Amino acid sequence: GQQVMQIPQYQHVQEGEDFTTYCNSSTTLSNIQWYKQRPGGHPVFLIQLVKSGEVKKQKRLTFQFGEAKKNSSLHITATQTTDVGTYFCAPPGGGGNKLTFGTGTQLKVEL
Amino acid sequence: ETGVTQTPRHLVMGMTNKKSLKCEQHLGHNAMYWYKQSAKKPLELMFVYSLEERVENNSVPSRFSPECPNSSHLFLHLHTLQPEDSALYLCASSQAGGNYGYTFGSGTRLTVV
Repeated sequence: GQQVMQIPQYQHVQEGEDFTTYCNSSTTLSNIQWYKQRPGGHPVFLIQLVKSGEVKKQKRLTFQFGEAKKNSSLHITATQTTDVGTYFCAPPGGGGNKLTFGTGTQLKVEL
Repeated sequence: ETGVTQTPRHLVMGMTNKKSLKCEQHLGHNAMYWYKQSAKKPLELMFVYSLEERVENNSVPSRFSPECPNSSHLFLHLHTLQPEDSALYLCASSQAGGNYGYTFGSGTRLTVV
């Protein structure tokens, strides 16, 4: 399946600071999805990016798909304690509807 | 509720026991999945069912046996597990060709003693 590197593995921020997680692939991706998993919870779908250079926003979250479709990023502006959790990128993992999940970035937000 | 219901939420079983995990989706999706999530490891895809046919078995040991009797239900039968099989087992469903991603259940936290 598709292998992706997600960095950083952990991020500790003060509330109000910005946060960015990056997802890098050695091969071109047809699309990429992002998920959030709260502590003790399950992954929840956030968004899917398909087009080269695509940028999508959801309130304080900005998602980007690289021009070469080999990397993607999630940026959170002015983090809040509700943003705590692990963020996963998930490109297709082969044929069909399979997804391969990245290693995730665990975000902690301190008051 | 997410539309994907997993039972039980927690399960403790001995290595000689046989148990089953159940997943039910109410979203009309045509694909269902089992994932394993261990501490400090990425989500690992175990099985994929599309239109009730198993299309993927990701080198999972035979002590895990999936069953998909219809498009709404998915089971994971467990027998003679090992302590290293302790993990969160997540069921997910999706609609082929859709842009809405996977919908995950809340998971079953399995502990093998």
